[in-house]
Amino acid sequence: DTEVTQTPKHLVMGMTNKKSLKCEQHMGHRAMYWYKQKAKKPPELMFVYSYEKLSINESVPSRFSPECPNSSLLNLHLHALQPEDSALYLCASSLSAKPDEQYFGPGTRLTVT
Amino acid sequence: QKEVEQNSGPLSVPEGAIASLNCTYSDRGSQSFFWYRQYSGKSPELIMSIYSNGDKEDGRFTAQLNKASQYVSLLIRDSQPSDSATYLCAVNSNDYKLSFGAGTTVTVRA
Repeated sequence: DTEVTQTPKHLVMGMTNKKSLKCEQHMGHRAMYWYKQKAKKPPELMFVYSYEKLSINESVPSRFSPECPNSSLLNLHLHALQPEDSALYLCASSLSAKPDEQYFGPGTRLTVT
Repeated sequence: QKEVEQNSGPLSVPEGAIASLNCTYSDRGSQSFFWYRQYSGKSPELIMSIYSNGDKEDGRFTAQLNKASQYVSLLIRDSQPSDSATYLCAVNSNDYKLSFGAGTTVTVRA
């Protein structure tokens, strides 16, 4: 089973709203990732968690705040976003954070109005 | 600057033909190489991983790796309309990050 789940599938939020994206995997993977993907572009890494600790932050603006409550869950808290933040947000997981196969969830399509 | 480059598309092939996708990478220390398939509006799906020089076959897919030439390719045999998608080459080096190519869009003509 290589399933990563994400909720919600779609999200529309205003620039003053606070919302959260959720990601879950039950594969025993110890590394989890957040990516952002704009149309016709490859995924762009935002954050990496390894063994529930933040190991990589790709200079992401503070209006994006990741959280890893346990080894199966990953959240991305959103606050005061801009319209240019509208994108497909992808969660992925891998067995470890070493060079390893990453499995993506279905993504959350975010629209900021 | 670590870069992954893919042959520019779109690539159009007739049904039943072989689709050939190419990818070059700049970081000679890269260790792991992946091909993802992404349908329009969907998330990337891992279809092949390759770690050592040579060929790796999985069904209609064959990945080829040549570390000396810093080159990895994907062949899709007996292409089907359901293979129409964007194919992303991804390379992983010691810093635990996947570097993606821009993708090659493949269209299989029925």
